[in-house]
Amino acid sequence: EVQLVESGGGLVQPGGSLRLSCAASGFTFSAYWMNWVRQAPGKGLVWVSRINSDGTDTSYADSVKGRLTISRDNAKNTLYLQMNSLTVDDTAVYYCASHRGSGWSIDYWGQGTLVTVSS
Amino acid sequence: DIQMTQSPSSLSASVGDRVTISCRTSQDISDFLAWFQQKPGKAPKSLIYAASSLQSGVPSKFSGSGSGTDFTLTIRNLQPEDFATYYCQQYHNYPWTFGQGTKVEI
Repeated sequence: EVQLVESGGGLVQPGGSLRLSCAASGFTFSAYWMNWVRQAPGKGLVWVSRINSDGTDTSYADSVKGRLTISRDNAKNTLYLQMNSLTVDDTAVYYCASHRGSGWSIDYWGQGTLVTVSS
Repeated sequence: DIQMTQSPSSLSASVGDRVTISCRTSQDISDFLAWFQQKPGKAPKSLIYAASSLQSGVPSKFSGSGSGTDFTLTIRNLQPEDFATYYCQQYHNYPWTFGQGTKVEI
């Protein structure tokens, strides 16, 4: 059974940092591209970032470029999102999601982790 | 960025109904279109990829159609577990973009 389990969310002050993790199991993690998608309270889904299977290529939404960094450790079957210079607009549930590669859509989603940026 | 326009934003339906949700993109995306279902407080679930292909385990009551800029999700024989919010998403270009969602309620 495919499982994606996010962790690391919580309350952080504006300007602060947080690192999210997504532990993967039940599939060959190193063969899949991975994404972070977020959802602000009561709002829709917004794609944040993507990383290819070996971690050599990344892509970001303009709203997070330069502040959020996606990475992965295939030996640990884990995806990360380093979040710096956080603002209140980054408050959201963050989901990790897998897809098979270029030209494929998301197939599996994690349960999400809530990040709240507030003073 | 590719803009996604879903309609309607919400609809009321009854058990047993057939419902149709539309999704329009601001440029031609061929068939790089996916549909997701999200229930309150839960993670999204993948339903359809490549505009019309069902994800593994998704019942055939769900169907998708379209190509280019106009797409449709159809749900037949609506059941209580189908009441949710549905999102379309293009994966033709980065940044990937989602529609604003369609809430299907009783």
